[in-house]
Amino acid sequence: EVQLVQSGAEVKKPGESLKISCKGSGYSFTSYWIGWVRQMPGKGLEWMGIIYPGDSDTRYSPSFQGQVTISADKSISTAYLQWSSLKASDTAMYYCARPFSSAAPFDYWGQGTLVTVSS
Amino acid sequence: EIVLTQSPGTLSLSPGERATLSCRASQSVSSSYLAWYQQKPGQAPRLLIYGASSRATGIPDRFSGSGSGTDFTLTISRLEPEDFAVYYCQQYGSSSSWTFGQGTKVEIK
Repeated sequence: EVQLVQSGAEVKKPGESLKISCKGSGYSFTSYWIGWVRQMPGKGLEWMGIIYPGDSDTRYSPSFQGQVTISADKSISTAYLQWSSLKASDTAMYYCARPFSSAAPFDYWGQGTLVTVSS
Repeated sequence: EIVLTQSPGTLSLSPGERATLSCRASQSVSSSYLAWYQQKPGQAPRLLIYGASSRATGIPDRFSGSGSGTDFTLTISRLEPEDFAVYYCQQYGSSSSWTFGQGTKVEIK
């Protein structure tokens, strides 16, 4: 069974750094892209970027380029989303999700990680 | 980057009625790489439709998708109580981009 299990909720202060994770299981982690999606409180879904763990090829939405870093450690089947300096506007639910291929929708989703940034 | 615009923003209907949701793209979506998702409060989105008209695994046949080019439609033939949710369209595969529309909320009238 394919599963994407995300790390737990985080509460951070503005200016702090953060790295959240998404662990894949039940499939060949290095053979499928993993993407990240933001959902701000009461708002819609925003695609942030995507990584292919097999060779670390990474693509970013223009809206998120330079704002976050996506990475993966294939030895532990885990993808990451990180911030170097959080802002209050980063408060959101973050989902990881897996498309079947580079030209496919997201058919499997993680449970989401709630990030709260507040002074 | 392709921009997807969904309409209406909110659809107020009763159980048993037909729901028609629209998704318009700012430029042609190649090879009908258009998907629809359902999201309920507190849950991750669920894939309903891909390739504009193919139902994902386990999706009831009351859900159907149609369209091509820049205009796409999700139809729910007869609304069940569990269908009241927010629906998003998404284009994928174009320039390695997976853009979402802003969503349509289907609420109980």
